[in-house]
Amino acid sequence: DGGITQSPKYLFRKEGQNVTLSCEQNLNHDAMYWYRQDPGQGLRLIYYSQIVNDFQKGDIAEGYSVSREKKESFPLTVTSAQKNPTAFYLCASSGSISVGATNIQYFGAGTRLSVL
Amino acid sequence: AQSVTQLGSHVSVSEGALVLLRCNYSSSVPPYLFWYVQYPNQGLQLLLKYTTGATLVKGINGFEAEFKKSETSFHLTKPSAHMSDAAEYFCAVSRLNYGGSQGNLIFGKGTKLSVKP
Repeated sequence: DGGITQSPKYLFRKEGQNVTLSCEQNLNHDAMYWYRQDPGQGLRLIYYSQIVNDFQKGDIAEGYSVSREKKESFPLTVTSAQKNPTAFYLCASSGSISVGATNIQYFGAGTRLSVL
Repeated sequence: AQSVTQLGSHVSVSEGALVLLRCNYSSSVPPYLFWYVQYPNQGLQLLLKYTTGATLVKGINGFEAEFKKSETSFHLTKPSAHMSDAAEYFCAVSRLNYGGSQGNLIFGKGTKLSVKP
């Protein structure tokens, strides 16, 4: 089945630790996104990538890093610089980010990150 | 700057009653508009979208939304609520000129829908 797979479903971070959230898609989509969701705040964009080996900061990129070495994969690292990492993290992809595209985004099931 | 406002963080209806979830947007150019639904501890699923053409858009699970340019609104409705409709609903608008392309979405803060038996 085509879709977006996020792993792990639950993740715990210790003080000062970096953790990496995985996102893989087999939809052959060009664009991929990472969002952070906090209760009552909607979804906030962390990073996005339009093509392989390129990515852009979103609205709340501080304390996070990403890579896009393969079209299918867009891992997110939550660094120790992110002082409040507890949240639900959602990965999404869309077919094209070009002008005129309808840009329907398809979402993974999310990773819930908590601090120990 | 573009923005999305969802009026009411919580809406409660009785089973069989009309569902109305409100969304207003701000955009200097014709927007693309979306409604997504999220069930607990899951990702978002597209309900419906408006791009161009007919202003009344039908989606999955009996939901529909009407694009009203004069009111800058895109309210979501369903004639008769079902218990399975209980979820959080997000309105989103396509972000323009972000990195030079019409790509990213701006999401509202969401409305939680409760359905009473």
